[in-house]
Amino acid sequence: GAVVSQHPSRVICKSGTSVKIECRSLDFQATTMFWYRQFPKQSLMLMATSNEGSKATYEQGVEKDKFLINHASLTLSTLTVTSAHPEDSSFYICSASPRAGAGYEQYFGPGTRLTVT
Amino acid sequence: AQSVTQPDIHITVSEGASLELRCNYSYGATPYLFWYVQSPGQGLQLLLKYFSGDTLVQGIKGFEAEFKRSQSSFNLRKPSVHWSDAAEYFCAVGAGQAGTALIFGKGTTLSVSS
Repeated sequence: GAVVSQHPSRVICKSGTSVKIECRSLDFQATTMFWYRQFPKQSLMLMATSNEGSKATYEQGVEKDKFLINHASLTLSTLTVTSAHPEDSSFYICSASPRAGAGYEQYFGPGTRLTVT
Repeated sequence: AQSVTQPDIHITVSEGASLELRCNYSYGATPYLFWYVQSPGQGLQLLLKYFSGDTLVQGIKGFEAEFKRSQSSFNLRKPSVHWSDAAEYFCAVGAGQAGTALIFGKGTTLSVSS
């Protein structure tokens, strides 16, 4: 089956620093990757959609200068939380949509727990 | 507006008893429906999905779901719950097109009592 990995799985950083989270599709090419944020006991909220080679599309209310997304290749997307603050602490999950094939699928990564102190 | 509603925030079921988790959706186009399960601190695992065809779909771990267009529902069922089924369950809907994100419900927490 299709596998999506995220690295790191858990990160603690100090307020004001930047953190990069990687999302990789291991055995398929992903035209589109999505970044979600999940607060404790809540659902997944879409932050942005990234397509390989083009700028990400951010959801309303998501600061594009704070959450930098790069989709440099068909297997890698990165989310950089710049100048992180404690309110950015959350569980970040990526998903990837295969390049081709009938039947729509999204494959989710295991998530990254970010704690900003 | 496109949305997914999971009316039950928290459900407790005795081990061995049957389970039904409710999901209602509002979607302007043909919906592609999903159920995911999430254990604490983990990512999402796909339980089952409905794209077309037979409205009763079978998934992993003994789960099934039935798509009812007239009721805009996609309820998840399991005939006999195991303690390991305790987790968070999310219903989601999508457009069935590459490049479109899923819309998730708020989730239902399932607790299993012995």
